[in-house]
Amino acid sequence: GAVVSQHPSRVICKSGTSVKIECRSLDFQATTMFWYRQFPKQSLMLMATSNEGSKATYEQGVEKDKFLINHASLTLSTLTVTSAHPEDSSFYICSVEQFFGPGTRLTVL
Amino acid sequence: SQQGEEDPQALSIQEGENATMNCSYKTSINNLQWYRQNSGRGLVHLILIRSNEREKHSGRLRVTLDTSKKSSSLLITASRAADTASYFCATFPSPGGKLIFGQGTELSVKP
Repeated sequence: GAVVSQHPSRVICKSGTSVKIECRSLDFQATTMFWYRQFPKQSLMLMATSNEGSKATYEQGVEKDKFLINHASLTLSTLTVTSAHPEDSSFYICSVEQFFGPGTRLTVL
Repeated sequence: SQQGEEDPQALSIQEGENATMNCSYKTSINNLQWYRQNSGRGLVHLILIRSNEREKHSGRLRVTLDTSKKSSSLLITASRAADTASYFCATFPSPGGKLIFGQGTELSVKP
């Protein structure tokens, strides 16, 4: 199955800054990747579907201008949390097919 | 939106005992998958069962699927302390669609 990596694994930033999270498919060319968010003690919530070469598809209630997704190649999708606020602090996980990355812990101070 | 409901939400057992977790869902599915998540980590794919399958085994794991009841169960036999984790079911609805996760069961196996 696909091997998925994420970078960084952990990031702490100040309120108002933007943070970029990378998701890489190491051994599989992925036309589609998925981004999830997970709050403590909760399940994963799908945020958006990242489509290579076209716009991402966002789930209801997810602000596309706040969570910018770029899927520039078949092996890389990026999620940028713009003007991050403390309520954006969460665990962000990407997936390729049924395989998940290790996640990125975002803490916004 | 979440499709799956899992029960129990939390389960605490002794090492060596079996652990059973249940998952119910609402719409028709193409397949159902079970994942494990250790605290603060990513998800590990455990097993996939297709809608035309009723039971599947993988090592100490046994998964059943009852599409008439829209439910699935995950049985871990002879549990170990290392099995301590959260377990999630995820459905892949048909036709097409995206993985939708249940609420998860937090399993604690005491040595």
